[in-house]
Amino acid sequence: DTGVSQNPRHKITKRGQNVTFRCDPISEHNRLYWYRQTLGQGPEFLTYFQNEAQLEKSRLLSDRFSAERPKGSFSTLEIQRTEQGDSAMYLCASSVVDTSSSGNTIYFGEGSWLTVV
Amino acid sequence: QKEVEQDPGPLSVPEGAIVSLNCTYSNSAFQYFMWYRQYSRKGPELLMYTYSSGNKEDGRFTAQVDKSSKYISLFIRDSQPSDSATYLCAMRTGGGNKLTFGTGTQLKVEL
Repeated sequence: DTGVSQNPRHKITKRGQNVTFRCDPISEHNRLYWYRQTLGQGPEFLTYFQNEAQLEKSRLLSDRFSAERPKGSFSTLEIQRTEQGDSAMYLCASSVVDTSSSGNTIYFGEGSWLTVV
Repeated sequence: QKEVEQDPGPLSVPEGAIVSLNCTYSNSAFQYFMWYRQYSRKGPELLMYTYSSGNKEDGRFTAQVDKSSKYISLFIRDSQPSDSATYLCAMRTGGGNKLTFGTGTQLKVEL
Protein backbone atom coordinates (compact mmCIF):
# COMPACT_ATOMS: atom_id res chain seq x y z
CA ASP A 1 0.00 0.00 0.00
CA THR A 2 1.50 3.33 -1.05
CA GLY A 3 -1.01 5.62 0.65
CA VAL A 4 -0.60 7.73 3.77
CA SER A 5 0.13 5.46 6.71
CA GLN A 6 -0.73 6.31 10.33
CA ASN A 7 0.16 4.53 13.58
CA PRO A 8 -1.26 3.56 15.94
CA ARG A 9 -4.77 3.34 14.54
CA HIS A 10 -6.31 3.38 18.00
CA LYS A 11 -5.04 4.62 21.34
CA ILE A 12 -6.78 4.67 24.70
CA THR A 13 -4.98 6.68 27.35
CA LYS A 14 -5.63 8.04 30.80
CA ARG A 15 -6.08 11.75 31.31
CA GLY A 16 -2.75 13.42 31.92
CA GLN A 17 -0.67 10.94 29.93
CA ASN A 18 1.30 11.82 26.81
CA VAL A 19 0.59 10.23 23.45
CA THR A 20 2.42 10.27 20.12
CA PHE A 21 1.10 9.51 16.66
CA ARG A 22 3.22 8.80 13.63
CA CYS A 23 2.48 9.55 9.98
CA ASP A 24 4.29 8.27 6.90
CA PRO A 25 3.22 10.30 3.86
CA ILE A 26 3.00 9.15 0.28
CA SER A 27 6.50 8.80 -1.13
CA GLU A 28 7.87 12.03 -2.61
CA HIS A 29 5.05 14.14 -1.18
CA ASN A 30 6.79 17.17 0.24
CA ARG A 31 3.75 18.57 2.05
CA LEU A 32 2.30 16.99 5.16
CA TYR A 33 -0.75 18.04 7.15
CA TRP A 34 -2.38 17.15 10.45
CA TYR A 35 -6.12 17.51 10.96
CA ARG A 36 -8.42 16.63 13.84
CA GLN A 37 -11.95 15.28 13.44
CA THR A 38 -14.60 14.80 16.11
CA LEU A 39 -17.85 12.89 15.71
CA GLY A 40 -20.34 14.62 13.43
CA GLN A 41 -17.85 17.24 12.30
CA GLY A 42 -15.57 17.70 9.35
CA PRO A 43 -11.80 17.59 9.77
CA GLU A 44 -10.20 20.74 11.21
CA PHE A 45 -6.75 21.88 10.18
CA LEU A 46 -4.04 21.70 12.85
CA THR A 47 -0.69 22.22 11.14
CA TYR A 48 1.24 21.89 7.89
CA PHE A 49 4.83 21.10 6.88
CA GLN A 50 6.66 21.68 3.66
CA ASN A 51 9.61 19.31 3.81
CA GLU A 52 10.91 19.66 7.36
CA ALA A 53 9.66 23.20 7.93
CA GLN A 54 6.45 23.73 9.91
CA LEU A 55 4.90 26.61 8.00
CA GLU A 56 1.46 27.04 9.52
CA LYS A 57 -0.21 26.24 12.82
CA SER A 58 -3.86 26.59 13.75
CA ARG A 59 -5.09 28.29 16.90
CA LEU A 60 -6.47 24.83 17.73
CA LEU A 61 -2.92 23.62 18.29
CA SER A 62 -2.44 24.45 21.95
CA ASP A 63 0.91 24.42 23.73
CA ARG A 64 0.29 20.80 24.69
CA PHE A 65 0.47 19.79 21.04
CA SER A 66 3.71 19.54 19.13
CA ALA A 67 4.38 18.24 15.65
CA GLU A 68 7.69 17.46 14.01
CA ARG A 69 8.94 16.31 10.67
CA PRO A 70 12.69 16.03 11.33
CA LYS A 71 13.93 14.74 7.99
CA GLY A 72 11.14 15.89 5.75
CA SER A 73 9.71 12.37 5.54
CA PHE A 74 7.61 10.94 8.40
CA SER A 75 5.99 13.17 11.00
CA THR A 76 4.98 12.80 14.64
CA LEU A 77 2.20 14.53 16.56
CA GLU A 78 2.61 14.51 20.32
CA ILE A 79 -0.07 15.49 22.80
CA GLN A 80 1.15 16.15 26.32
CA ARG A 81 -1.00 15.98 29.46
CA THR A 82 -3.99 14.70 27.53
CA GLU A 83 -7.48 15.93 28.38
CA GLN A 84 -10.83 14.34 27.66
CA GLY A 85 -11.48 17.04 25.08
CA ASP A 86 -8.55 15.72 23.06
CA SER A 87 -10.55 12.59 22.21
CA ALA A 88 -10.87 12.66 18.43
CA MET A 89 -9.54 11.14 15.24
CA TYR A 90 -6.21 12.63 14.20
CA LEU A 91 -5.77 12.60 10.46
CA CYS A 92 -2.57 12.96 8.54
CA ALA A 93 -2.53 13.99 4.90
CA SER A 94 0.09 14.62 2.26
CA SER A 95 0.40 16.30 -1.10
CA VAL A 96 2.84 17.42 -3.73
CA VAL A 97 2.60 20.65 -5.66
CA ASP A 98 1.40 19.91 -9.18
CA THR A 99 1.93 22.57 -11.81
CA SER A 100 -0.95 21.17 -13.88
CA SER A 101 -4.51 22.29 -13.33
CA SER A 102 -4.89 19.63 -10.61
CA GLY A 103 -3.08 21.93 -8.25
CA ASN A 104 -2.30 20.65 -4.79
CA THR A 105 -4.32 17.46 -4.25
CA ILE A 106 -4.40 16.36 -0.63
CA TYR A 107 -4.65 12.67 0.28
CA PHE A 108 -5.61 11.50 3.76
CA GLY A 109 -4.56 8.53 5.82
CA GLU A 110 -6.95 6.29 7.74
CA GLY A 111 -6.56 8.30 10.92
CA SER A 112 -5.53 7.60 14.49
CA TRP A 113 -8.35 7.40 17.02
CA LEU A 114 -7.60 8.78 20.45
CA THR A 115 -9.80 8.11 23.47
CA VAL A 116 -8.87 9.85 26.71
CA VAL A 117 -10.47 8.29 29.79
CA GLN B 1 -21.33 31.48 11.17
CA LYS B 2 -19.19 28.74 9.69
CA GLU B 3 -17.25 29.41 6.51
CA VAL B 4 -18.67 26.25 4.94
CA GLU B 5 -22.22 25.04 5.56
CA GLN B 6 -23.38 21.53 4.77
CA ASP B 7 -26.62 19.80 5.70
CA PRO B 8 -25.63 16.86 7.95
CA GLY B 9 -28.55 14.70 6.85
CA PRO B 10 -29.03 11.81 7.19
CA LEU B 11 -30.18 11.43 3.61
CA SER B 12 -31.81 8.14 2.68
CA VAL B 13 -32.49 7.20 -0.95
CA PRO B 14 -33.45 4.01 -2.81
CA GLU B 15 -30.90 2.20 -4.93
CA GLY B 16 -30.65 3.69 -8.41
CA ALA B 17 -31.72 7.19 -7.35
CA ILE B 18 -29.89 10.36 -8.28
CA VAL B 19 -28.37 11.94 -5.19
CA SER B 20 -27.70 15.65 -4.83
CA LEU B 21 -25.34 16.86 -2.11
CA ASN B 22 -24.64 20.54 -1.56
CA CYS B 23 -22.49 23.03 0.30
CA THR B 24 -22.56 26.78 0.60
CA TYR B 25 -19.65 28.95 1.63
CA SER B 26 -19.00 32.51 2.59
CA ASN B 27 -15.33 33.08 1.72
CA SER B 28 -15.12 34.42 -1.84
CA ALA B 29 -11.38 33.65 -1.87
CA PHE B 30 -12.02 29.91 -2.10
CA GLN B 31 -10.93 28.70 -5.54
CA TYR B 32 -10.38 24.95 -5.20
CA PHE B 33 -13.29 22.69 -4.33
CA MET B 34 -13.22 19.05 -3.36
CA TRP B 35 -15.57 16.28 -2.39
CA TYR B 36 -14.38 13.51 -0.10
CA ARG B 37 -16.17 10.29 0.81
CA GLN B 38 -15.67 8.93 4.31
CA TYR B 39 -16.76 5.51 5.49
CA SER B 40 -17.33 4.96 9.17
CA ARG B 41 -14.10 5.19 11.21
CA LYS B 42 -12.00 5.59 8.06
CA GLY B 43 -10.08 8.51 6.59
CA PRO B 44 -11.58 10.76 3.89
CA GLU B 45 -11.12 9.54 0.31
CA LEU B 46 -10.86 12.12 -2.46
CA LEU B 47 -13.68 11.80 -5.01
CA MET B 48 -13.68 14.99 -7.04
CA TYR B 49 -11.45 18.04 -7.39
CA THR B 50 -12.49 21.17 -9.27
CA TYR B 51 -10.94 24.55 -9.82
CA SER B 52 -13.12 27.66 -10.01
CA SER B 53 -16.60 27.49 -11.54
CA GLY B 54 -18.02 24.85 -13.84
CA ASN B 55 -18.80 21.15 -14.01
CA LYS B 56 -16.61 18.09 -13.80
CA GLU B 57 -17.75 14.55 -14.44
CA ASP B 58 -16.12 11.29 -13.41
CA GLY B 59 -18.12 8.14 -13.94
CA ARG B 60 -21.31 8.32 -11.88
CA PHE B 61 -20.15 11.50 -10.12
CA THR B 62 -20.58 15.09 -11.27
CA ALA B 63 -19.28 18.08 -9.36
CA GLN B 64 -20.64 21.57 -9.96
CA VAL B 65 -19.27 24.87 -8.72
CA ASP B 66 -21.17 28.15 -8.89
CA LYS B 67 -18.85 30.79 -7.49
CA SER B 68 -21.35 33.60 -8.09
CA SER B 69 -23.75 31.91 -5.67
CA LYS B 70 -21.00 30.43 -3.47
CA TYR B 71 -22.63 27.03 -3.92
CA ILE B 72 -21.17 23.66 -4.82
CA SER B 73 -22.88 20.37 -5.56
CA LEU B 74 -22.07 16.71 -6.00
CA PHE B 75 -24.43 14.52 -8.00
CA ILE B 76 -24.33 10.74 -7.82
CA ARG B 77 -26.16 8.87 -10.57
CA ASP B 78 -27.44 5.31 -10.25
CA SER B 79 -26.66 5.28 -6.54
CA GLN B 80 -25.54 1.98 -5.02
CA PRO B 81 -25.60 0.66 -1.44
CA SER B 82 -21.79 0.91 -1.51
CA ASP B 83 -22.20 4.69 -1.86
CA SER B 84 -23.54 4.78 1.71
CA ALA B 85 -21.06 6.98 3.53
CA THR B 86 -20.51 10.52 4.74
CA TYR B 87 -19.72 13.02 2.00
CA LEU B 88 -17.55 15.97 2.93
CA CYS B 89 -17.12 19.09 0.87
CA ALA B 90 -13.81 20.89 1.26
CA MET B 91 -12.30 24.01 -0.20
CA ARG B 92 -9.24 26.21 -0.08
CA THR B 93 -8.01 29.54 -1.32
CA GLY B 94 -5.70 29.91 -4.29
CA GLY B 95 -2.56 30.41 -2.25
CA GLY B 96 -3.72 28.54 0.80
CA ASN B 97 -2.51 25.24 2.11
CA LYS B 98 -5.30 24.23 4.43
CA LEU B 99 -8.67 22.78 3.58
CA THR B 100 -11.85 24.05 5.17
CA PHE B 101 -14.44 21.30 5.44
CA GLY B 102 -18.17 21.14 5.80
CA THR B 103 -19.62 18.99 8.55
CA GLY B 104 -20.40 16.19 6.09
CA THR B 105 -23.70 14.72 4.85
CA GLN B 106 -24.50 11.18 5.86
CA LEU B 107 -25.95 9.24 2.91
CA LYS B 108 -27.68 5.87 3.05
CA VAL B 109 -28.62 4.08 -0.16
CA GLU B 110 -31.17 1.38 0.54
CA LEU B 111 -31.91 -1.77 -1.45
